[in-house]
Formats: sequence, C-alpha cells, structure tokens
Amino acid sequence: QAVVTQEPSLTVSPGETVTLTCDSSTGAVTSGHYPHWFQQKPGQAPRTLIYDTGNKLSWTPARFSGSLLGGKTALTLSGAQPEDEADYYCLLFYSGAAVFGGGTKLTVL
Amino acid sequence: EVQVVESGGGLVQPGGSLRLSCTTSGFTFSSYGMSWVRQAPGKGLEWVSSITNSEDTHYADPVKGRFSISRDNSKNTLYLEMNSLRAEDTAVYYCTKGGWGSHFDSWGQGTLVTVSS
Repeated sequence: QAVVTQEPSLTVSPGETVTLTCDSSTGAVTSGHYPHWFQQKPGQAPRTLIYDTGNKLSWTPARFSGSLLGGKTALTLSGAQPEDEADYYCLLFYSGAAVFGGGTKLTVL
Repeated sequence: EVQVVESGGGLVQPGGSLRLSCTTSGFTFSSYGMSWVRQAPGKGLEWVSSITNSEDTHYADPVKGRFSISRDNSKNTLYLEMNSLRAEDTAVYYCTKGGWGSHFDSWGQGTLVTVSS
C-alpha cells in the first residue's frame, strides 16, 4: 500500500503565507490521484477544504488554495488567521484504495 | 442542507461484531458515493471503506475480509458491518459523503467504537 507523507508540523505568523505539501511513495502526485485536503480542529470532525487538486467547497475560505507542485500536491494558505490553527490532512486515491497522509499540525503564532 | 449522522458505536469485546449506520438527508443519496473514515485516539485519519453509487466497494487492507460496507437507498442510509473486531479497531468512525466517483464533502460528527474486554 502506498505511503502518503506530509510535514508533521509547521508554524506561520499571522498574515503570512504557508504551503503544506503531500507526497506519494509511488511517484509523482497527479490530478489522477484526485487530491483532497481536510482541516480538523481539536474535538471536531474533519472538514473538507479542497477536492480534485484545487477545487473549493462553498465553505472554503478564499485564502486556501490547492495545486500540484514539484511532483507533490500542495495546500497554500495566504494570509494566515488565528482560526486556521488546526491539523491538516491530505488524501490521495489509488487503484482500489484511498490513503490519508499523516497530517500536518499548523500553528499560527 | 446536507446532514450526515452516524450511530451504532459502543463497547464491544475482541472478536465481537458491530453494525454502524449513517443516516443522511439534504441530497440525493442514491447518486453519490459514500465512505467511512476512522480516527484512533490521538492519531490521524484512516480511510476504511467506500461504496460507489453503483455499489462497487473498496476496503483498506486492515479491514478487508472483516468489514462490509453497504447502502440502502430507500432509507438514505449507509452501513458498516464490522466483524472479528480487534483492539486496534478502536476509533471514532466518521461517515462522509463522497468517495470514488464523487468528491468528499460533508462529514458526520462520528461514532466511537471501543474494542476492549
């Protein structure tokens, strides 16, 4: 089974930009992996932010964007807000299985 | 408004069985794939199983042969039948709208399954 890797933790200052990445052990991440990004705050259920690389849900703040970057998929937060402090997970689809990354704990400080 | 509500969690002994349900509203259930995702205490998210709108099923390796996903479109309800439960199956189980053929969007609040003697 594929292994999906994310940065364990990142810190960003309020108002600054940060990029979270998601890598696949099987090779370059492509649109064919239908990359998703999820946000989870303590004690809450996850919330979908991005699907199919860069598509947003109606509730996704405009400051979040998704892309493919150097063989990985990336979530960029432009202008971080204190309420963006959370765990972020990516998800990739493979033939017959879906795999989450280990998650990135984002601190806004 | 899309609503997804899980039920059926609880305490079960190792080797036991449990059936989770996910009742939905606010969308045409029969048109969408659905999935189960779990999260062990203090750990990350783990995809468990998905079913397409045409009832094709997919399972993660750790649950293959023990868990069975199904849907009842007449009741707008998703199920997860869990057999031969192990301690490592202890987790909050989330139901999500989406999977193969339809992107993930709405999530339920989860139901806790504890496997312990």
